[in-house]
Amino acid sequence: KNEVEQSPQNLTAQEGEFITINCSYSVGISALHWLQQHPGGGIVSLFMLSSGKKKHGRLIATINIQEKHSSLHITASHPRDSAVYICAVASGTYKYIFGTGTRLKVLA
Amino acid sequence: NAGVTQTPKFRVLKTGQSMTLLCAQDMNHEYMYWYRQDPGMGLRLIHYSVGEGTTAKGEVPDGYNVSRLKKQNFLLGLESAAPSQTSVYFCASRPRYTEAFFGQGTRLTVV
Repeated sequence: KNEVEQSPQNLTAQEGEFITINCSYSVGISALHWLQQHPGGGIVSLFMLSSGKKKHGRLIATINIQEKHSSLHITASHPRDSAVYICAVASGTYKYIFGTGTRLKVLA
Repeated sequence: NAGVTQTPKFRVLKTGQSMTLLCAQDMNHEYMYWYRQDPGMGLRLIHYSVGEGTTAKGEVPDGYNVSRLKKQNFLLGLESAAPSQTSVYFCASRPRYTEAFFGQGTRLTVV
């Protein structure tokens, strides 16, 4: 079993829909990181969380440390949000563990 | 403000050839990492470094070597490339307790 699990693996939505991507982890962490990767592109940082909630534009990320779970929400989704969303956790001093990603496609 | 820069961005190698990928960061970060990304497998750690002059093995180190002679540079070497090393390689760096910053990736094909 992976130490960081994401769900769903693939997601197709219509433009304007509210989207939720989930991340669960089984290790102790100092922080959790949401990343975005467009097809053929680099990896961009969206959020770093150690508690609570963060919001940036249409993106909201939450984390529940007790339940070892984080969610990434996208409100009013748009085709340009189509990308792979990756959850990563910082565990211990140097360790950085990635989920396998959620491939999101938003249709116009 | 370059951040994390990887060179080259693309490379095609013949089986048995060698090459070095360079990762350079200008943020004075302590930790640096090399990952490979393969379809359906997510990012897997090849080697990492927690400071200048130190390196350590990650999950999939076989066939790769690394060096970190200067704090800002982390080199990944393939001594004798194999088709199984066809992948996209990402370098990342981060300070001790905050988020990682990623390079743009190197797409390597071994034929």
